[in-house]
Amino acid sequence: NAGVTQTPKFQVLKTGQSMTLQCAQDMNHNSMYWYRQDPGMGLRLIYYSASEGTTDKGEVPNGYNVSRLNKREFSLRLESAAPSQTSVYFCASSPLGYQPQHFGDGTRLSIL
Amino acid sequence: QQQVKQSPQSLIVQKGGISIINCAYENTAFDYFPWYQQFPGKGPALLIAIRPDVSEKKEGRFTISFNKSAKQFSLHIMDSQPGDSATYFCAASFSNQFYFGTGTSLTVIP
Repeated sequence: NAGVTQTPKFQVLKTGQSMTLQCAQDMNHNSMYWYRQDPGMGLRLIYYSASEGTTDKGEVPNGYNVSRLNKREFSLRLESAAPSQTSVYFCASSPLGYQPQHFGDGTRLSIL
Repeated sequence: QQQVKQSPQSLIVQKGGISIINCAYENTAFDYFPWYQQFPGKGPALLIAIRPDVSEKKEGRFTISFNKSAKQFSLHIMDSQPGDSATYFCAASFSNQFYFGTGTSLTVIP
């Protein structure tokens, strides 16, 4: 049972390049989330999808877009990468919003 | 503005001791308070969670104490073990919006 799978695991981009981070879950969860984790900042919610067909902004949405492709997949897109977006990105899913979140192992993204 | 304030930033405990991590919040709309454990190179994993209608929840060696009037909650790890060495995050949530503390790096010395 894979749980939450994120691809790629590592990526280096140049400023201005675009990139899509992929996330898929095999637990039939309704809700999915994207976070970024920076040293000393904890995890901050970028976007979430409470159910298939819906997406909403989190705490730090600027510079990002998301797509809930189907119930399993939730992607995060950086249209024009900036050095400030260097971070570790985590995808998570949960059965419903008030239930435990299951996290992937992250995508480590560096923007030069 | 940090919605959830977590302390201490780091903690060193002897094997067998009690580890205590504290969190505070301001937004009374929060209605779900999970704690996560994270090992290097891995995503956070849910440890234990509580809702504001109870004051304490215990699962094995892990206990959450919740003080609704003070808007504070804490994680107690009893009989701490070297395998508990990790980073711990508290979080608070309402309506699918999750806010995390800045994390506590716990080191348990054998």
